Amino acid sequence: AQSVAQPEDQVNVAEGNPLTVKCTYSVSGNPYLFWYVQYPNRGLQFLLKYITGDNLVKGSYGFEAEFNKSQTSFHLKKPSALVSDSALYFCAVRDIERGSTLGRLYFGRGTQLTVWP
Amino acid sequence: GAGVSQSPSNKVTEKGKDVELRCDPISGHTALYWYRQRLGQGLEFLIYFQGNSAPDKSGLPSDRFSAERTGESVSTLTIQRTQQEDSAVYLCASSLAPSGSIYNEQFFGPGTRLTVL
Repeated sequence: AQSVAQPEDQVNVAEGNPLTVKCTYSVSGNPYLFWYVQYPNRGLQFLLKYITGDNLVKGSYGFEAEFNKSQTSFHLKKPSALVSDSALYFCAVRDIERGSTLGRLYFGRGTQLTVWP
Repeated sequence: GAGVSQSPSNKVTEKGKDVELRCDPISGHTALYWYRQRLGQGLEFLIYFQGNSAPDKSGLPSDRFSAERTGESVSTLTIQRTQQEDSAVYLCASSLAPSGSIYNEQFFGPGTRLTVL
């Protein structure tokens, strides 16, 4: 079965400090991994994805994520946080193994990021 | 269109009534998804349409929930005899079709906030 865990409900950082939002996954085959961000009263916006290749993936708004197969993790990072980064962040996974249900993503519960000025 | 649109943005209904939620995907996107987001929880997959293939209905929580899609355009999610536990934000997303090893990210609409009194 496929699943995603975001162990932290909330992450608080000061502006200018580095931030990390954690995500671990479980799939039966090779994963496709995604990060989405949700600002208040708005839909989810795509940030970045890992399909294959370089383990460090760069995305929108200066975010990046590191795929670690041995630790089954895909943590979201940013070197210097901004107050405007405050939002709800979702990690998601799709199992690409043949025979798995096409299309559906499995989402984590979300992590609320608050960046203090 | 420029993005995924959903209507209405808010819907308040009485317990036992039927509701219809509408989603207009991005033009050219053959894949369409419905998710439910309950307060403080992650996204729950409901149903997935891909072209003319039979939809993946595995996420629908009960037979009160149904969805239709006309060709590769508009989709409607219908909830019959609504219950209070149906209160949530219903999100629609669309994407280019998954094809082999290529998986395209989903683009989300702003959601419909459903409140069942």
